[in-house]
Amino acid sequence: QVQLQESGPGLVKPSGTLSLTCTVSGGSITSYNWWTWVRQSPGKGLEWIGEIYHSGGTSYNPSLKSRVTISVDKSKNQFFLNLSSLTAADTAEYFCAIRTSSPTIKFDPWGQGTLVTVSS
Amino acid sequence: DVQMTQSPSSLSASVGDRVTITCRASQSIGGYLNWYQRKPGKAPELLISATSHLQTGVPSRFSGSGSGTEFSLTITSLQPEDCAAYYCQQSYTTPYTFGQGTKLQI
Repeated sequence: QVQLQESGPGLVKPSGTLSLTCTVSGGSITSYNWWTWVRQSPGKGLEWIGEIYHSGGTSYNPSLKSRVTISVDKSKNQFFLNLSSLTAADTAEYFCAIRTSSPTIKFDPWGQGTLVTVSS
Repeated sequence: DVQMTQSPSSLSASVGDRVTITCRASQSIGGYLNWYQRKPGKAPELLISATSHLQTGVPSRFSGSGSGTEFSLTITSLQPEDCAAYYCQQSYTTPYTFGQGTKLQI
């Protein structure tokens, strides 16, 4: 059973850039075609951030598009999230997940999440 | 964006009860509706995809129904381990959007 684990700093400064890594274990990342990021701000619902296709193509939430970059390193079985120009509103729990499309789009499995606080 | 409205936001029930959570989309999404369960400290888990397709390993007391803009998740014979937050998600179009969640207390 493939497992995902997020890693990265728990505290980042306003105006800075958040960099998170999702490590895939128990299987090859290349067994899947799409890799995605989702976040949940305190007391709020889940928000899809964006995703990357195995060819390198990306799709981002328009609300975050100007600040987001998602990339992948298949040799390391990892994919990454960069989010720039941070504000307190970016404080959230960040999740990585596999997106499958057979027969319909769904996110499975997910990582446990990593809490990121934006504060000086 | 497609807005997903879930109700209720919280729910208290007893072991053995039947509960229903509803999810309404701001526009028709066909059957492109997924349900996830999130327990504290654990990864969200996909329960149901495409409105009613139960994922492997998910107990049969969970079921989903609906189409267009109205969907529901039903749990029959509630068990203590069903205490969790439940989220609907539309996968009809990007940006994929989620409901605000329903916190179920047993």
